[in-house]
Amino acid sequence: GAVVSQHPSRVICKSGTSVKIECRSLDFQATTMFWYRQFPKQSLMLMATSNEGSKATYEQGVEKDKFLINHASLTLSTLTVTSAHPEDSSFYICSARPEFYEQYFGPGTRLTVT
Amino acid sequence: EDQVTQSPEALRLQEGESSSLNCSYTVSGLRGLFWYRQDPGKGPEFLFTLYSAGEEKEKERLKATLTKKESFLHITAPKPEDSATYLCAVQAQDSGYALNFGKGTSLLVTP
Repeated sequence: GAVVSQHPSRVICKSGTSVKIECRSLDFQATTMFWYRQFPKQSLMLMATSNEGSKATYEQGVEKDKFLINHASLTLSTLTVTSAHPEDSSFYICSARPEFYEQYFGPGTRLTVT
Repeated sequence: EDQVTQSPEALRLQEGESSSLNCSYTVSGLRGLFWYRQDPGKGPEFLFTLYSAGEEKEKERLKATLTKKESFLHITAPKPEDSATYLCAVQAQDSGYALNFGKGTSLLVTP
């Protein structure tokens, strides 16, 4: 149980284009979903928290207009990186909280912006 | 500000050589401390949640313990397949369920 999927697993895009990443909880309903990014050899940094039907709460320093988050249902959240630039290249990981306090993570999406 | 410090940064063990990983934390009101395992290029895999000092949890060769200032992840008789990065994270009572991660301990177990 508690399986979270992400799609795509890898994406390469050109600078200036937008990329959408999907995060789905497959066998539970997620009260809250989180988006993290991870640079090589570094730990996970929280970008934003989203609750179904509400606007996402972004961490300090994360641009709301650049990283658009939509949490349309209790099993799906999407992260859109708008006007991507090479510095946005990173490993993006989502997590989902079913109930109580645990979070279960997706497999991650490797974004490369050329 | 909440802080999570993991040590050592890297650890190399021979198969069967038991050891412990440390996670020191400061947080204004701990709701839970979490341990995850992360393999290269993959998302973290949930291992344990500890909620109060004195609590212990076990899973196969892993045992996690918690005090008011730190947590230990004990690895007994490790195998090469235990090689991974082990991440510790704290969840504060006023965090809205967000996790604050340490930088991790990279464990390599050699045959």
